[in-house]
Amino acid sequence: QKEVEQDPGPLSVPEGAIVSLNCTYSNSAFQYFMWYRQYSRKGPELLMYTYSSGNKEDGRFTAQVDKSSKYISLFIRDSQPSDSATYLCAMSIQRNDYKLSFGAGTTVTVRA
Amino acid sequence: DAGITQSPRHKVTETGTPVTLRCHQTENHRYMYWYRQDPGHGLRLIHYSYGVKDTDKGEVSDGYSVSRSKTEDFLLTLESATSSQTSVYFCAISGEAGGPRETQYFGPGTRLLVL
Repeated sequence: QKEVEQDPGPLSVPEGAIVSLNCTYSNSAFQYFMWYRQYSRKGPELLMYTYSSGNKEDGRFTAQVDKSSKYISLFIRDSQPSDSATYLCAMSIQRNDYKLSFGAGTTVTVRA
Repeated sequence: DAGITQSPRHKVTETGTPVTLRCHQTENHRYMYWYRQDPGHGLRLIHYSYGVKDTDKGEVSDGYSVSRSKTEDFLLTLESATSSQTSVYFCAISGEAGGPRETQYFGPGTRLLVL
């Protein structure tokens, strides 16, 4: 069993829809959670970074962490064609930990 | 791509040949990483460096070696390339002064095909 599970999709939604992405994990020691966005043939770019449980909002993006369920989510409101990308979740145990555990990524297409 | 360049960006090589990939950063970050990305596996850490001449193994280090002689450069060498090493390789950096180590920033990637 992988330490971090992420549905690979693909996920296709119409422009303006809410995109809902999620990851589950098995290691309850994870405390720091990240979402990366990766455009085709590009490197991943950090999108959201959260610590422990709760919500964090940044513009059209909201990250949620539910440590009791070992479940994290990323919501994209008012989705745009420019949001079409692969979204990777990542997590770590300690603040200064070199080791990130990544999900395999979910590919999202927003149709104009 | 956060002041990170990778070279070459694309490479085709033959089984059994040595290959060196280069990562160069202009951010003066202390930590540097090499990952490979394969379908269904996500990003997997090969090696990382926590300073000049200080390196350590990641989860998929067999068949790979690294060197870091300057802060800005981190080299990944496939000692004798195999078809299983066909992948996309990403370099990442982290460790801005006062920043959390885990916020890693990635380069544009190198696509390697081993025939």
